[in-house]
Amino acid sequence: GNSVTQMEGPVTLSEEAFLTINCTYTATGYPSLFWYVQYPGEGLQLLLKATKADDKGSNKGFEATYRKETTSFHLEKGSVQVSDSAVYFCALNYGGATNKLIFGTGTLLAVQP
Amino acid sequence: DVKVTQSSRYLVKRTGEKVFLECVQDMDHENMFWYRQDPGLGLRLIYFSYDVKMKEKGDIPEGYSVSREKKERFSLILESASTNQTSMYLCASSPFSGRAVHEQFFGPGTRLTVL
Repeated sequence: GNSVTQMEGPVTLSEEAFLTINCTYTATGYPSLFWYVQYPGEGLQLLLKATKADDKGSNKGFEATYRKETTSFHLEKGSVQVSDSAVYFCALNYGGATNKLIFGTGTLLAVQP
Repeated sequence: DVKVTQSSRYLVKRTGEKVFLECVQDMDHENMFWYRQDPGLGLRLIYFSYDVKMKEKGDIPEGYSVSREKKERFSLILESASTNQTSMYLCASSPFSGRAVHEQFFGPGTRLTVL
C-alpha cells in the first residue's frame, strides 16, 4: 500500500547549521508530495509541495526535490534559525477528488541559539 | 485567507461521556477531514466528507462518528469517550480536486483529555 517514512527525531541543531530531514515513500502511480510544518501550539500548514518527478518545491529557504528513482523527497535548508523549531511532516497525495493525504510520523526539529 | 476553526483548544471529559468536536471552514471547500495526532504515529485519518451528508471512513474510525449537515461544518462525535481517545484532534479542509492537486488547510487542533 501507500506509505511515507521519515527520519526519527528529535533533530537538534545550532543556529545557521544545515538541515536535512529524510523522507521516502511507497506508492502506486505518481503521487504528489508535500512537507507540512507544525509550530508549537498550532495546526499544520503547508511548507512546500511537488506534483511530479524532478519538481523542486521551495519556500522560506526550505527546498525538497521529488526523486522518483529513489522514491524520496528530502527536506533541506542551508541555514536554520531558532524560529524554524517545529515538527515537520512529509505527506503524499495519491490522487482522487477527495485530496486524501498519507502522513509520515513527523520529525521534531529543535534549533538552539 | 482560508480559515479553519475548531470549537475548543482544550477539552477535558470523563469516560463514557458523549463528546462533540466542531470544525468550521470559511472557504466553501467540498472536502473536510478529521485526524488524530499522537506522538510517534503522526496523523491518522478518522473520517472524511466530500459533500454535505456524505462521509467515508478513514483508517481508524472505530469509536467515532461524524456529521456534516452544512457544507462549512464538520463534526466529530465520540459516542462514549474512553481514555484511549485522549489525543490531539485536527480538522482540515480542501477544495474538490478534479485534475489539480490542492493542499489541505488545518485548524489549530483540539487537545482532548479523557479521564
